[in-house]
Amino acid sequence: DAKTTQPPSMDCAEGRAANLPCNHSTISGNEYVYWYRQIHSQGPQYIIHGLKNNETNEMASLIITEDRKSSTLILPHATLRDTAVYYCIVRVAGLGNTGKLIFGQGTTLQVKP
Amino acid sequence: EPEVTQTPSHQVTQMGQEVILRCVPISNHLYFYWYRQILGQKVEFLVSFYNNEISEKSEIFDDQFSVERPDGSNFTLKIRSTKLEDSAMYFCASRPTVTNTEAFFGQGTRLTVV
Repeated sequence: DAKTTQPPSMDCAEGRAANLPCNHSTISGNEYVYWYRQIHSQGPQYIIHGLKNNETNEMASLIITEDRKSSTLILPHATLRDTAVYYCIVRVAGLGNTGKLIFGQGTTLQVKP
Repeated sequence: EPEVTQTPSHQVTQMGQEVILRCVPISNHLYFYWYRQILGQKVEFLVSFYNNEISEKSEIFDDQFSVERPDGSNFTLKIRSTKLEDSAMYFCASRPTVTNTEAFFGQGTRLTVV
């Protein structure tokens, strides 16, 4: 699975959009971009994933560049409860793959009042 | 909403003792995983399990570790002879397929080896 690079930490004001970048320059054509987050020491929580098109769900939006070498997770109106470590993970999602996730260090997002 | 359930939430054990960590995955899921997170470090993959056998394991998952799905609902991780360095949060996860789906994680078991 391709390696990802994320900034170690970011701050965001409550109510503002949080934009978390991820670089995955060695991504392959059959690899998806997944985002998870971990609040304090709880279990990781799935946020969103995509292949090449931008995606949006009730939690966030995922913007993937046309060359797929980077992506941005957008939390449109960050709240204090969004303070967490955010992980960008690239993985193959197909038969023959075990489905394991390889976590990096992630980005610690601190939402401030 | 269905969830992955792990018990106990916290386990304290003496070095050299055997521990069994328990997980109840989401009922229609087919793929099961264990991960661990040593305090202050990143989440690490241990093992994946499908069709009643291990499908992949990491270097961490040595002979001291074993997994089992003893019935249709439970998924267990056994550590035969615990070491101090086994102290960590252990997370169970499950997913319905390995194609384009997300994994659901439990809240974890904090294992403390003294």
